[in-house]
Amino acid sequence: GNSVTQMEGPVTLSEEAFLTINCTYTATGYPSLFWYVQYPGEGLQLLLKATKADDKGSNKGFEATYRKETTSFHLEKGSVQVSDSAVYFCALPANAGGTSYGKLTFGQGTILTVHP
Amino acid sequence: EAQVTQNPRYLITVTGKKLTVTCSQNMNHEYMSWYRQDPGLGLRQIYYSMNVEVTDKGDVPEGYKVSRKEKRNFPLILESPSPNQTSLYFCASSSGDYRSDTQYFGPGTRLTVL
Repeated sequence: GNSVTQMEGPVTLSEEAFLTINCTYTATGYPSLFWYVQYPGEGLQLLLKATKADDKGSNKGFEATYRKETTSFHLEKGSVQVSDSAVYFCALPANAGGTSYGKLTFGQGTILTVHP
Repeated sequence: EAQVTQNPRYLITVTGKKLTVTCSQNMNHEYMSWYRQDPGLGLRQIYYSMNVEVTDKGDVPEGYKVSRKEKRNFPLILESPSPNQTSLYFCASSSGDYRSDTQYFGPGTRLTVL
């Protein structure tokens, strides 16, 4: 099946700093790629996704580009805010090809803390 | 509002006392899953269901049971909980489409087994 390796944290930044969280994947074919975010005390929610190679997903100032050459989907934000403090998960369908059957494989998560 | 609900949100119990965590979704999704989240291990899938009466094991099914008698509900059952099942549990649902398979998560259930 497919797998994902995510940069381990935690990551601590000052407000307005630049953020990069690395994510690389191993997959058969070119599956969709996802970033999920988990705010304190809440469940995961989709942050952004890219469904094919070279696509860029974006939301709330975050961006990630689907790069098949380097099998990467790094998450970036140019200027983080205190409210971005959360856990970030990279994910992709667990199964190679076909229907995912609702199963995603998640990275271990990166804890981001942003100080004022 | 599209949502996945779980109950209870917090539960403290003792070893061996059967418990059920409920999960319900209102999006008419085919697929539902249960995950557990543990520090340093990320999210691991326990069980998933592709439709009513169709379930299959995920990565860590030992000690858990599920049922899918209705499309909207997918309860997680711990017949005889043990301390190693202390964890944060999430239910999720999705349409199952390979190309845009967004999973919608519930708010989580924090379980402590003493």
